Amino acid sequence: GAVVSQHPSWVICKSGTSVKIECRSLDFQATTMFWYRQFPKQSLMLMATSNEGSKATYEQGVEKDKFLINHASLTLSTLTVTSAHPEDSSFYICSARNYLGQGMSSGNTIYFGEGSWLTVV
Amino acid sequence: EDKVVQSPLSLVVHEGDTVTLNCSYEVTNFRSLLWYKQEKKAPTFLFMLTSSGIEKKSGRLSSILDKKELFSILNITATQTGDSAIYLCAVSDYKLSFGAGTTVTVRA
Repeated sequence: GAVVSQHPSWVICKSGTSVKIECRSLDFQATTMFWYRQFPKQSLMLMATSNEGSKATYEQGVEKDKFLINHASLTLSTLTVTSAHPEDSSFYICSARNYLGQGMSSGNTIYFGEGSWLTVV
Repeated sequence: EDKVVQSPLSLVVHEGDTVTLNCSYEVTNFRSLLWYKQEKKAPTFLFMLTSSGIEKKSGRLSSILDKKELFSILNITATQTGDSAIYLCAVSDYKLSFGAGTTVTVRA
């Protein structure tokens, strides 16, 4: 089953409103979570690295005041898209790194959430 | 800046064919190279490669890494329509840097 849960799976909101997406690690503590955005037929683009108890590190070109990231606990990070506009419509995915940096049986140390489809109308 | 380049960008094959996907990279502090399969939603993990020359296999899929030449290949043999997906290559130093992906379409 999923070890990283992302919610909501899809959301439609009006232009100008804010939307919050949650990312939870279910079976492990994640000191670091990553937020990605993927436009249709394009690859995943890292938006920011979220560290528990400290400010997120944003990639170049990503507006930190628009994409607010909070990592208040070892199992939860949230991404809030503020004053959303139609061009923010995209697929947002989070991933979490196992606290000990050790993988499970698959050897993979980074686990993805199921993703969230955001449509701004 | 880390760079991951996948080729081809897309290909169409018939069931039973073999496909080879390429991934080349340039990263500052290489830790591992990962392959993912993405269908409709989030990527699903396929392989993690850390050492050169050691082939990893899972059913009809296999992958190998060349750390000297900085590339990896993913092979899919006896393709099936269920293999149709985007295959993503990612390189990990501290974070994952993704390639653009290769869209594979397998026709019956």
